[in-house]
Amino acid sequence: DAKTTQPNSMESNEEEPVHLPCNHSTISGTDYIHWYRQLPSQGPEYVIHGLTSNVNNRMASLAIAEDRKSSTLILHRATLRDAAVYYCILRSRGGYQKVTFGIGTKLQVIP
Amino acid sequence: SQTIHQWPATLVQPVGSPLSLECTVEGTSNPNLYWYRQAAGRGLQLLFYSVGIGQISSEVPQNLSASRPQDRQFILSSKKLLLSDSGFYLCACSRQYNEQFFGPGTRLTVL
Repeated sequence: DAKTTQPNSMESNEEEPVHLPCNHSTISGTDYIHWYRQLPSQGPEYVIHGLTSNVNNRMASLAIAEDRKSSTLILHRATLRDAAVYYCILRSRGGYQKVTFGIGTKLQVIP
Repeated sequence: SQTIHQWPATLVQPVGSPLSLECTVEGTSNPNLYWYRQAAGRGLQLLFYSVGIGQISSEVPQNLSASRPQDRQFILSSKKLLLSDSGFYLCACSRQYNEQFFGPGTRLTVL
């Protein structure tokens, strides 16, 4: 599986935008970029995914580099409820969809 | 949309005792099913995945086993628990290359 690299932790002030980076230099042409987040004592929840174009949904935006070797999850206005561990993962389109979660980025939101 | 049920929510077991964790899925058919374990402060470790009834693949050799007796039922078992089996066990499902949905998890403490 192609791997991803994320910073271990980040801080943000409440109500400010947050940009969470992810490097995936070995991404293949069939890999989708997925983001999940995990609140304390809960299972991860899906946030957003994309292939080549930038994506927006009600939770966040996903900016994908032109060479697809990196991506950035954007939270437009961080709230205290956004404090979580954010995982960037790659999922291949073909065959069985095994997913490997790394350690992720622990986001701390400061009031 | 799919819903994943896991039970029990918490479990405290002595070393050497057996284990059975159950996961059931509603709202989808023929899903891919997964068991993950998360040790304290660590990322998610994929333990088993299943693409159909009776089809189980193991990712990590260990004293755990998994079974899928029905399309939407996934069971994680052990004959003899070890201290290192303590952790947060998560069941997840997905359809093809779409996002994964996670259950609420079972927190297992082996004493």
